Amino acid sequence: AQKITQTQPGMFVQEKEAVTLDCTYDTSDPSYGLFWYKQPSSGEMIFLIYQGSYDQQNATEGRYSLNFQKARKSANLVISASQLGDSAMYFCAMSAGGYNKLIFGAGTRLAVHP
Amino acid sequence: ETGVTQTPRHLVMGMTNKKSLKCEQHLGHNAMYWYKQSAKKPLELMFVYSLEERVENNSVPSRFSPECPNSSHLFLHLHTLQPEDSALYLCASSQGPAGGEYNEQFFGPGTRLTVL
Repeated sequence: AQKITQTQPGMFVQEKEAVTLDCTYDTSDPSYGLFWYKQPSSGEMIFLIYQGSYDQQNATEGRYSLNFQKARKSANLVISASQLGDSAMYFCAMSAGGYNKLIFGAGTRLAVHP
Repeated sequence: ETGVTQTPRHLVMGMTNKKSLKCEQHLGHNAMYWYKQSAKKPLELMFVYSLEERVENNSVPSRFSPECPNSSHLFLHLHTLQPEDSALYLCASSQGPAGGEYNEQFFGPGTRLTVL
């Protein structure tokens, strides 16, 4: 069975510091994709970053980077230089098999303090 | 309009009512999805449509009935709902996977549903 686990219900970080949000996954498919989404209090899901299972290098998108450790089945999100606007729920998700469907973790609520 | 839109944004209905949620994508994608987000639960995939054909139904009760008349529109018809169906319903679209790469889903703003 496919599963995403986010063990941190809540995290806080000081503005301008870096923070790591944890994500582990489980799948028997050799091909899969890993995603991180941000959900502000307004409710919309915002795509942040993607990592393919065959990608050799960790994905980066601006202040976001994905620390992909395939053997440990982990895909942690690193946010550098946190901003107040980064306060939101963050979801790790996985797509495997057909039709690009996503399985989500429970999410981590990040609070950025000034 | 760009991206994925959903209407209405908020809906309050009684258990005997019939209502529909609408989703429209302007991205030229070939797959559309319905998700349910309840308080204190992970997002749950409800339905997947690929090229207007339903390809997945995750054991969703029959009181939820999806419809995909074309690749740009997706509906979720609701009837005789229960209070526990109150949740945020999110629609998403994407291009299907190709060549071992998966594509991100683009989400609409959601419909906040309250069943009294």
